[in-house]
Amino acid sequence: AQSVTQLGSHVSVSEGALVLLRCNYSSSVPPYLFWYVQYPNQGLQLLLKYTTGATLVKGINGFEAEFKKSETSFHLTKPSAHMSDAAEYFCAVRFSGGYQKVTFGIGTKLQVIP
Amino acid sequence: SQTIHQWPATLVQPVGSPLSLECTVEGTSNPNLYWYRQAAGRGLQLLFYSVGIGQISSEVPQNLSASRPQDRQFILSSKKLLLSDSGFYLCAWSQNTGELFFGEGSRLTVL
Repeated sequence: AQSVTQLGSHVSVSEGALVLLRCNYSSSVPPYLFWYVQYPNQGLQLLLKYTTGATLVKGINGFEAEFKKSETSFHLTKPSAHMSDAAEYFCAVRFSGGYQKVTFGIGTKLQVIP
Repeated sequence: SQTIHQWPATLVQPVGSPLSLECTVEGTSNPNLYWYRQAAGRGLQLLFYSVGIGQISSEVPQNLSASRPQDRQFILSSKKLLLSDSGFYLCAWSQNTGELFFGEGSRLTVL
């Protein structure tokens, strides 16, 4: 079955440290991949996406992600965490299929410690 | 530019009462429309999606229904709310690129 797995429902980093949020998917066909960010009591905002082409994707707020087909992964990184990065992050995947269905991971809450 | 609005933002309803959440999209035509529910620690659950007027697909059996009376309007309804219907409901739209654009969300508390 096609699925999306985010490892770690809570991640804590110190301000200025590397942020690494993990996402793996299960699919035999490379899907479209997305990372979204959600601040409390708000909707989700697209951070970045991978469809085709360059496997290293840069997004907003200094985040980037790399699509690794051999590892079926799309991990999100940021070199230096800022207090404003504290939020919940969702990995999402659009698997190949007949309609526009997007499957979300359970989310990772990022805490940034001053 | 495209915008999406959903309302009400907050709703407190007694068990057994009806529900209507509305969502409208502006600045695009024939979008795909979605209703998601978000529960703590469970990510986003797709409830309904629509690829056109009057075309509704349900992902999970439940106490809710959806309708799309106009191209850019999507409504989530219930005749009788259950306690388990409490949650944060998100409307979203997309075109063929697959990325979703979300509304601000509606927090429903059923008492």
